[in-house]
Amino acid sequence: QVQLQESGPGLVKPSGTLSLTCAVSGGSISSSNWWSWIRQPPGKGLEWIGEIYHSGSTNYNPSLKSRVTISVDKSKNQFSLKLSSVTAADTAVYYCARTLRSGSYYNPWGQGTLVTVSS
Amino acid sequence: SYVLTQPPSVSVAPGQTARITCGGNNIGSKSVHWYQQKPGQAPVLVVYDDSDRPSGIPERFSGSNSGNTATLTISRVEAGDEADYYCQVWDSSSDPNVVFGGGTKLTVL
Repeated sequence: QVQLQESGPGLVKPSGTLSLTCAVSGGSISSSNWWSWIRQPPGKGLEWIGEIYHSGSTNYNPSLKSRVTISVDKSKNQFSLKLSSVTAADTAVYYCARTLRSGSYYNPWGQGTLVTVSS
Repeated sequence: SYVLTQPPSVSVAPGQTARITCGGNNIGSKSVHWYQQKPGQAPVLVVYDDSDRPSGIPERFSGSNSGNTATLTISRVEAGDEADYYCQVWDSSSDPNVVFGGGTKLTVL
């Protein structure tokens, strides 16, 4: 079955850019799915960041849209997240997840990776 | 934006039934999905499209949705069910379209 694995730096300086990658295994990123990023600040709830289709179509959370870029690399079967101009408020566990269609449920999720914004 | 309201906590004794609610304006017209998150772990889908269960999820987990309230019901609660539970919907008129509830901590007494 499909499995997802996030990777990237665990520490980012304020005003810098957070960059994460989600590797997809057990299935093709070019299948009819959308691929999403969701984050969870320590001790808080879940916040949807955005999603991408293998064609490159994207949807973003309006509150983050000016700072977020999600891209797909079909040759490596992975997709990526870039969040610019980060502050301490962007400190969170970042999850990647699959959804069968835009706006549906998320299954499966990656294990998550903690990104701390600090100098 | 669309708001989903969950109780912060629910407590239940082992073997009893836990009901976790998710309130939203006319939520009965939307598809509701539920996730279980244990400490230090990623969320796991336990109910989708109001009342369907993914493979591998026990029949003890069920869902319903009507009016302004969706409910996740866990029958014969076990110690291993202690976790945070989140509801989620997609709302075409909301910004963002994907909305999560604030989460409910289920404590097994």
